[in-house]
Formats: sequence, C-alpha cells, structure tokens
Amino acid sequence: DVKVTQSSRYLVKRTGEKVFLECVQDMDHENMFWYRQDPGLGLRLIYFSYDVKMKEKGDIPEGYSVSREKKERFSLILESASTNQTSMYLCASNNPGQYNQPQHFGDGTRLSIL
Amino acid sequence: QQQVKQSPQSLIVQKGGISIINCAYENTAFDYFPWYQQFPGKGPALLIAIRPDVSEKKEGRFTISFNKSAKQFSLHIMDSQPGDSATYFCAAPRGAGNTPLVFGKGTRLSVIA
Repeated sequence: DVKVTQSSRYLVKRTGEKVFLECVQDMDHENMFWYRQDPGLGLRLIYFSYDVKMKEKGDIPEGYSVSREKKERFSLILESASTNQTSMYLCASNNPGQYNQPQHFGDGTRLSIL
Repeated sequence: QQQVKQSPQSLIVQKGGISIINCAYENTAFDYFPWYQQFPGKGPALLIAIRPDVSEKKEGRFTISFNKSAKQFSLHIMDSQPGDSATYFCAAPRGAGNTPLVFGKGTRLSVIA
C-alpha cells in the first residue's frame, strides 16, 4: 500500500525556534508538496519539489524553506517559528502527469507555536 | 493563475438525501478536475476526477457533473450516509505540464440520521 509518512502527528514549539517537519514517501514519486491547512482557507501550497535538490515556491512560502536531498524525503523548515505558523501541515507526493496521478497525502502534523 | 471557488462552506444533509457541492474555475485551458475527500485526523484522498471531454462521471454514489460553458463542476453524493461526513475539496491544475493543483477552500459535509 502506498504511504506518505509525516514524522510527527503533534508538535509544540516556541516562537523563534527553528522547526523541522519531515516527510517520507515510499512510492518513488518524483513530485513532493507541502501544504498548510487552516479552517476556512483550505489547502494552501507552501513549496513543492519535482526532483531531488529542486524546489519551487508555492502560494505562501514566506517564513518557510524546504530541503530535498533524497528522492523519498522532503523537509519543511520554519526558520524562526512564529505564532501565526500554528497550523496543520500536510505533505503529499505524486508522479508527473495530472490524470491518473493523484496526490497521496500524509495524515498531517498539527504544529502549535507558543 | 487558476483559481477555484467552492461552495457551500458547510452542508448538513439528512441520511438518504443528495449532497451537492459546487466549484467554479477560471482558466478553461486545463483538463483535469479532481475531488478529494478528507476524514478527521486523516490527509485528503482522491475521491473521483473528471476530464472536460465528458459532461458526467459516476462512481457508485458519487457523480461529477461538468459544465464547460459555465466553467463549473459539481460533486453529487446520492443516498448520503453518515459515513460520508467529511470535508470535500475540489481542485484544478495551476497550469499546463507538471504543475501542482490549486484547491478550493473545502466543504464540510455532515450527514445526520
């Protein structure tokens, strides 16, 4: 069964900390994505990557960076966490080609910044 | 850039009724319109998708209706069940080629007995 695994379900950090969210997929997918989900705002794309060491900004990249050193792993980094980054973070992956290439999502990391 | 506008934000339906969620998109150039379903505590998962060369696609109790001239597509859930209670997202490609999807803001569906 295909799987996208996010390292933590819940995480509590303090303002100003550097925070790492990890995501691993076992499907050999080329594309990986980080989204942020907030009530009433839906899924907003933070960053995505279509190959190892490649990254592209999404809609809300400010305050975030990413790293993809291996094909199966995509990390989201909050350089200096702030309270407005408290949210649910979702990782996803798929292969190129829209049709019949659904995005597979992890179950999310609920991050609280105090 | 493609945007999708989804309505309603929330929906309460009686068991056995029909749930209808609507989405409007802007860019007519693209060719893939999926719906994702998300249960509490889980990530979204693809439910059903349509290409605009057909006006309707049905999978079990779930149907997508597509109106290309109006730039709208809708999800219909027939004989809605409490197990269908979830958040539903429509989506569309941002552009041609290998580009991410853009998602609607979601509809929280509650099916009550």
